[in-house]
Amino acid sequence: GENVEQHPSTLSVQEGDSAVIKCTYSDSASNYFPWYKQELGKGPQLIIDIRSNVGEKKDQRIAVTLNKTAKHFSLHITETQPEDSAVYFCAASSPGSGNTGKLIFGQGTTLQVKP
Amino acid sequence: EPEVTQTPSHQVTQMGQEVILRCVPISNHLYFYWYRQILGQKVEFLVSFYNNEISEKSEIFDDQFSVERPDGSNFTLKIRSTKLEDSAMYFCATQGEKLFFGSGTQLSVL
Repeated sequence: GENVEQHPSTLSVQEGDSAVIKCTYSDSASNYFPWYKQELGKGPQLIIDIRSNVGEKKDQRIAVTLNKTAKHFSLHITETQPEDSAVYFCAASSPGSGNTGKLIFGQGTTLQVKP
Repeated sequence: EPEVTQTPSHQVTQMGQEVILRCVPISNHLYFYWYRQILGQKVEFLVSFYNNEISEKSEIFDDQFSVERPDGSNFTLKIRSTKLEDSAMYFCATQGEKLFFGSGTQLSVL
């Protein structure tokens, strides 16, 4: 079945710097790749997503890139702020599933933005 | 902004006891899910539910687990006889165009 690997597990940056989190997936049939942000005591919150027919998507300071050939996708956060500090999860839709709500998650990255 | 509501936020139970976790989906969503996250591990899919029946389930979702939407609003996950290894954060998620998660129920089995 699908497997998603996420790196790094922890990331510390200075405020204003960029942060990049990378994920790889194993099944080329996956076609939907969301990113979630999880703050302490809260559930995962969708921040951006990308479908396999698109190579890049941007929303203000957040962007996601997808390389289908290499089966990897990345989250880019520019001009980081302390409130960006959280755990970030990548996910891929499960191939063969009848809906895109069945997701396979990466291990998570704890991002710390130092003021 | 509409949100998925889960209760309780924390549940402590003795091994062998039954627990019911509750979720109020976003009102116009039709697909419902339960996920769980054991401390330090990945978020894992448990089950999906559509049109009042299970549409898909994982290997984790064995006979000890069941889901239902008894009153058309609450979506529940029942664990009949809890085991120590059921201790985890359980997330409800509901899907319209996108998948939205609740804040989770931290289940501790002693």
